Amino acid sequence: QVQLVESGGGVVQPGRSLRLSCAASGFSFSNYAMHWVRQAPGKGLDWVAVMSYDESNKYYADSVKGRFTISRDISKNTLFLQMNSLRADDTAVYYCARALSYSSSSMFEYWGLGTLVTVSS
Amino acid sequence: QSALTQPASVSGSPGQSITISCTGTSSDVGDYNYVSWYQQYPGEAPKLMIYDVIYRPSGVSNRFSGSKSGNTASLTISGLQAEDEADYYCSSYTSRRTYSFGTGTKVTVL
Repeated sequence: QVQLVESGGGVVQPGRSLRLSCAASGFSFSNYAMHWVRQAPGKGLDWVAVMSYDESNKYYADSVKGRFTISRDISKNTLFLQMNSLRADDTAVYYCARALSYSSSSMFEYWGLGTLVTVSS
Repeated sequence: QSALTQPASVSGSPGQSITISCTGTSSDVGDYNYVSWYQQYPGEAPKLMIYDVIYRPSGVSNRFSGSKSGNTASLTISGLQAEDEADYYCSSYTSRRTYSFGTGTKVTVL
């Protein structure tokens, strides 16, 4: 069965960096687009970034563009989110999600349990 | 990207039907059939309930159905059950190749 396990969250000071990981299993990782979605405490869902199956297309929310980078390591079936210049309003649970298909226009079918990032001094 | 508009709360009695609306623009909901709905219980990850406006993933009850008219998508839950009490979010692909989520709706079973 499809399994997504996020890690790398924690408490970080404003302006610092953090890299999140998402270990994928139970499907052919190289055949699907992958997303990051976040949810601030007590708030709604907020889409962050998507990468197409072949990494040819990467798109970001305006709020993270230029600061966050989505990438993957096919050999390790792992998705990453590099987060730089972190701000207090980046505080959230970060979910990775597998898309319905290979395309970057394909929406979120399977979700991990999330990892909490807290940006605070 | 602006959030799609959902009612903050919807309630109904067991067995009734309820409908949650999701209003966007001609740059998202109105222009694409890439609209999906998610159910989320407190402290848990979201679960896909409807995708591409009308399709149900395997394992999702047929009491859940989706539709769209113009810039507004809708999720209908028929035969409301206690287990349906949760938060529901819509989402749409946009013309900027990004995604927007709805503001979220809390469903209460009376």
